[in-house]
Amino acid sequence: DQQVKQNSPSLSVQEGRISILNCDYTNSMFDYFLWYKKYPAEGPTFLISISSIKDKNEDGRFTVFLNKSAKHLSLHIVPSQPGDSAVYFCAASGWDSNYQLIWGAGTKLIIKP
Amino acid sequence: NAGVTQTPKFQVLKTGQSMTLQCAQDMNHEYMSWYRQDPGMGLRLIHYSVGAGITDQGEVPNGYNVSRSTTEDFPLRLLSAAPSQTSVYFCASSYGGLLEGYTFGSGTRLTVV
Repeated sequence: DQQVKQNSPSLSVQEGRISILNCDYTNSMFDYFLWYKKYPAEGPTFLISISSIKDKNEDGRFTVFLNKSAKHLSLHIVPSQPGDSAVYFCAASGWDSNYQLIWGAGTKLIIKP
Repeated sequence: NAGVTQTPKFQVLKTGQSMTLQCAQDMNHEYMSWYRQDPGMGLRLIHYSVGAGITDQGEVPNGYNVSRSTTEDFPLRLLSAAPSQTSVYFCASSYGGLLEGYTFGSGTRLTVV
């Protein structure tokens, strides 16, 4: 059973608009959440992280929101740029996973010009 | 600064053959790990190491061996390749912080026929 779920396999957004990528998790023991971006034929690249003691973390155009009661996190990208077209993975860890990352299946973001 | 270097980039094996995927990092990271990525799935942890001489199993360790004799190198050995091991393999490293992103290599695409 998937502990980290990204229910949208793909998302298409107009350049300049906001992109919102969603991630749900089932394990209430997860305390650390990370987002990665991946281009074809490359390894994932770390974007931003958040711990369970916070509900928001911001880094430039990227903001991650965490709703612990709903076991839901989201990544907002504002404004979206063509270079943001990639696959985005969320990953979580906690005591239950021995602090090793459990990954979602990814969401492919396409930024339309 | 090369980061994380994986070799080879591509490999075709026959069922039953063995081989070693190489991973080296030059950032003096204590933590290193191996993942596999299959279509439609997130990354799954095979083995990891928190320092030289220390290794542990991840989610999908069967059919793979690792060793960590130096901080820099973390090779992954396939003992007797099977078609189910056809996948893209990624090596990653980090200082070990739970909110710190991993640095990934560019991956090895392995096909077992």
